[in-house]
Amino acid sequence: TQLLEQSPQFLSIQEGENLTVYCNSSSVFSSLQWYRQEPGEGPVLLVTVVTGGEVKKLKRLTFQFGDARKDSSLHITAAQPGDTGLYLCAGVGDNAGGTSYGKLTFGQGTILTVHP
Amino acid sequence: KAGVTQTPRYLIKTRGQQVTLSCSPISGHRSVSWYQQTPGQGLQFLFEYFSETQRNKGNFPGRFSGRQFSNSRSEMNVSTLELGDSALYLCASSLVAGSNQPQHFGDGTRLSIL
Repeated sequence: TQLLEQSPQFLSIQEGENLTVYCNSSSVFSSLQWYRQEPGEGPVLLVTVVTGGEVKKLKRLTFQFGDARKDSSLHITAAQPGDTGLYLCAGVGDNAGGTSYGKLTFGQGTILTVHP
Repeated sequence: KAGVTQTPRYLIKTRGQQVTLSCSPISGHRSVSWYQQTPGQGLQFLFEYFSETQRNKGNFPGRFSGRQFSNSRSEMNVSTLELGDSALYLCASSLVAGSNQPQHFGDGTRLSIL
């Protein structure tokens, strides 16, 4: 079973600060997705990274996929209260024939609170 | 364009009962996946359906089952409910099969077992 370790689990910061969320695994993923979930709602896809070393930017959010496709990070610059939510990384299993092949495995999530 | 619709939003059951949850995907989407979300285990994959066939299955007991209809709508059934089945059940749809596809989630059904 492929596991995704996401850290930190909780993050409480002031508006304007920068932060980074990490997603690590010992397994290789064919792609990795980042979602944001707000209370009472389902997760919303932010980005998908596919190529090792890939960097994608979405306004103040920067996503990076590790060269070996085993880890990823989400960096938020100048966080705002509207960024508050649960951030989830999810990897698609790349081990053909393995039990996790083709399945989306989620990290435990990072609860981010940005105080005004 | 309507999003993924899950019904009901909230459900209270007792141990031993069974429950059926419903999911209507985004129009044109043919793949539907189900997930269970709990504070302790996070989001866990249950199964994926495409063209009325189960394509992939997570590590859940046989009490958890699902099906997909010709209009791509999907239902999930849990029999002999246990306290540990209390969770938020999320449905996600995508245009075609495969977890590489962007998953569009509904807002879930909150199931509480008493």
